[in-house]
Amino acid sequence: KQEVTQIPAALSVPEGENLVLNCSFTDSAIYNLQWFRQDPGKGLTSLLLIQSSQREQTSGRLNASLDKSSGRSTLYIAASQPGDSATYLCAVKGGGTSYGKLTFGQGTILTVHP
Amino acid sequence: ETGVTQSPTHLIKTRGQQVTLRCSSQSGHNTVSWYQQALGQGPQFIFQYYREEENGRGNFPPRFSGLQFPNYSSELNVNALELDDSALYLCASSFVGGSGANVLTFGAGSRLTVL
Repeated sequence: KQEVTQIPAALSVPEGENLVLNCSFTDSAIYNLQWFRQDPGKGLTSLLLIQSSQREQTSGRLNASLDKSSGRSTLYIAASQPGDSATYLCAVKGGGTSYGKLTFGQGTILTVHP
Repeated sequence: ETGVTQSPTHLIKTRGQQVTLRCSSQSGHNTVSWYQQALGQGPQFIFQYYREEENGRGNFPPRFSGLQFPNYSSELNVNALELDDSALYLCASSFVGGSGANVLTFGAGSRLTVL
């Protein structure tokens, strides 16, 4: 059974800092890994998706890496801003026919203060 | 291109009642999946539908059931509501077929409170 763990559970940083969020998963037989952002009481916004054959993806100030063999991914946020404050969720998709099944971590609550 | 829309956005029920939540898939998508997100937790997979049939289920009892319609919209039904069913229910759609990455698009969710 796939299990996803995110560290830290919460993080508070001053504006402008570079930061790293960590995600680990127990079963390396994944199809892809995705990072989401969730604002309080809202749905999920996809940030980056990394296919199992890829090592990293970048979008603006965000960079996500994937080390499938060690079961780890990191999300790097450069020059953090107060608008980055949200919960960040990591999710993995396994193979097989469960096309819509993602296994999520519990999330990291990020607060960026001015 | 429209995204995934869910209704209602908020609702309150009492224990023992039944609830139906609705989801309209993103245009062109043929698969829908449902997730339950309790407060402070990550979403948990309930089930998915493909070609109007359940095609994968998480660790949820049979009182959680669903439907997918020919237009790929979907319903989640929960019978005999319990207090622990209070959560944000998220619907996600995707396209299965071809060589695409099968990326899920999530709706904004339906917030269910059971009293």
